[in-house]
Amino acid sequence: DQQVKQNSPSLSVQEGRISILNCDYTNSMFDYFLWYKKYPAEGPTFLISISSIKDKNEDGRFTVFLNKSAKHLSLHIVPSQPGDSAVYFCAASKGNFNKFYFGSGTKLNVKP
Amino acid sequence: KAGVTQTPRYLIKTRGQQVTLSCSPISGHRSVSWYQQTPGQGLQFLFEYFSETQRNKGNFPGRFSGRQFSNSRSEMNVSTLELGDSALYLCASSGADTQYFGPGTRLTVL
Repeated sequence: DQQVKQNSPSLSVQEGRISILNCDYTNSMFDYFLWYKKYPAEGPTFLISISSIKDKNEDGRFTVFLNKSAKHLSLHIVPSQPGDSAVYFCAASKGNFNKFYFGSGTKLNVKP
Repeated sequence: KAGVTQTPRYLIKTRGQQVTLSCSPISGHRSVSWYQQTPGQGLQFLFEYFSETQRNKGNFPGRFSGRQFSNSRSEMNVSTLELGDSALYLCASSGADTQYFGPGTRLTVL
């Protein structure tokens, strides 16, 4: 049973515009969420995280929003750059930084 | 500081064989987790080792096992390989609040 879902397998955005990647989860016990970026032939690279005590966390061009009542989080990338083209995974854990549940990923393509 | 390393990077095996994958965590990290990535399934948690003990376990059959050594290096073993075991196997070592992934081992079972 997939506890973390990314329902959009792919997203295409024009350079300079906003990219919004979405993630839904089913387990209300999740209290820590991460976004990873993955290029082909490389392992996932940590991007940004958010704890359930917050509803927003920002780091440069990346902002993660958490809506606990809807069990939904999103990653905003503004402005999008061609180098952002990769697969993005969201992940969640419940009080355990060593076991994460991952979504199936969204492939972002930023067109020049 | 060196990142997480995994060996080998690529492996081809046939059904019924067994395979051992290796992971060296970031220096100072004592927790090592293993994940399986298949197309459309994202990353599935296999297990986590801390101080040579399995601390967390996912929902994989007993053919998947692992161990950790005193220097925190970890190995993962898959016995009696099946075609469906073809995947990218990722290892991650844990820092204070996140996991850092290695490049993965691409296993192909023929």
